[in-house]
Amino acid sequence: EVQLVESGGGLVKPGGSLRLSCAASGFTFSSYSMNWVRQAPGKGLEWVSSISSSSSYIYYADSVKGRFTISRDNAKNSLYLQMNSLRAEDTAVYYCARAEWLLSYPMDFDYWGQGTLVTVSS
Amino acid sequence: QLVLTQSPSASASLGASVKLTCTLSSGHSSYAIAWHQQQPEKGPRYLMKLNSDGSHSKGDGIPDRFSGSSSGAERYLTISSLQSEDEADYYCQTWGTGPHVVFGGGTKLTVL
Repeated sequence: EVQLVESGGGLVKPGGSLRLSCAASGFTFSSYSMNWVRQAPGKGLEWVSSISSSSSYIYYADSVKGRFTISRDNAKNSLYLQMNSLRAEDTAVYYCARAEWLLSYPMDFDYWGQGTLVTVSS
Repeated sequence: QLVLTQSPSASASLGASVKLTCTLSSGHSSYAIAWHQQQPEKGPRYLMKLNSDGSHSKGDGIPDRFSGSSSGAERYLTISSLQSEDEADYYCQTWGTGPHVVFGGGTKLTVL
């Protein structure tokens, strides 16, 4: 059974940092791209970042470029999101999701985690 | 610019059918999309990948009541024999060059 479990969320002050993790199991982690998607309270889904299976391709939404860093450790079946210079508008539930890769970008997100809440507030 | 447009809300009666629409932006009518369901207070759940020719492949455990179809730049999700647990937000998603992943704004489905 495919499982994605996020952790690392919490309350952080504006300008602060947080590192999210996503532990994967039930599939060959190193064969899939991994992705972060967030959802602000009462809002829709917003793509944040994607990383290819071997980390050769990394993409970010403009809203987080230069502040967030996605990475993965295939030996540990884990995905990470380092979030720096956090702003109030980064407050959201953050989901990790799995996707196959087509040419140079991820495709449909076929498994999702349950999410971890990040709150940026003073 | 790759954009997906969804109606904010839809409603249908218990046991009836409903067809939700996701529209691809101009110049992107050949793109495949995915449909995701998000029940209240839960994470998203993958429903299916839907190609431009209407062929689709569903996720694990998705009932036959869920089906997809396509016409031009429109991508549809049809839910038949509506059940109370189908009341949820439904999002379409696509992928391509810049931005690499796009979500529609979501449709809130109310089962009457």
